[in-house]
Amino acid sequence: SAVISQKPSRDICQRGTSLTIQCQVDSQVTMMFWYRQQPGQSLTLIATANQGSEATYESGFVIDKFPISRPNLTFSTLTVSNMSPEDSSIYLCSVEVLGITNEKLFFGSGTQLSVL
Amino acid sequence: QKEVEQNSGPLSVPEGAIASLNCTYSDRGSQSFFWYRQYSGKSPELIMSIYSNGDKEDGRFTAQLNKASQYVSLLIRDSQPSDSATYLCAVFTGTASKLTFGTGTRLQVTL
Repeated sequence: SAVISQKPSRDICQRGTSLTIQCQVDSQVTMMFWYRQQPGQSLTLIATANQGSEATYESGFVIDKFPISRPNLTFSTLTVSNMSPEDSSIYLCSVEVLGITNEKLFFGSGTQLSVL
Repeated sequence: QKEVEQNSGPLSVPEGAIASLNCTYSDRGSQSFFWYRQYSGKSPELIMSIYSNGDKEDGRFTAQLNKASQYVSLLIRDSQPSDSATYLCAVFTGTASKLTFGTGTRLQVTL
């Protein structure tokens, strides 16, 4: 497995502001992902954070709203820009750990975001 | 049709009983299957993975995969109150190269 540190763990933000979430892994990983979990819902993939290149966004998510950085193989940030109450959600960083024959996905502790 | 479907529950079982959680998926090309447990207010925790047809046991947990019928299940034996959580089924589809989650089944283990 991997130890994934995510911060902040929670924040309350005003409408129109931006929040940057950090994700630090204790080992180098190739694949890092950002998910969103809205209240009472399952996890939705926002984007794949690519090291050294632009993130790959899923349908419905755009770079202007959710800019992502991945400067190296152990760190990534997700920014939620120009926030509205609809952005209130849990944001989760995840990493893929490769085993001998298969891969597994592990999650950070998440960031609980509330937008007023 | 949703890519990964689960009954939202709640599924209520008495302590000591077997809890059976089911999941169906739509993409026949799916290769890897996972069960995550998520306590309220916490992030998902990987508890089981399965990659080939049949059963895989790990302690009180057994994952079952049937690719022909496109379903995967999780059995929890000797259910404990601490097992009360939402269980998320996740499927890795090679064609999309991403992990898709079901909406989760809430399990309640009663005393």
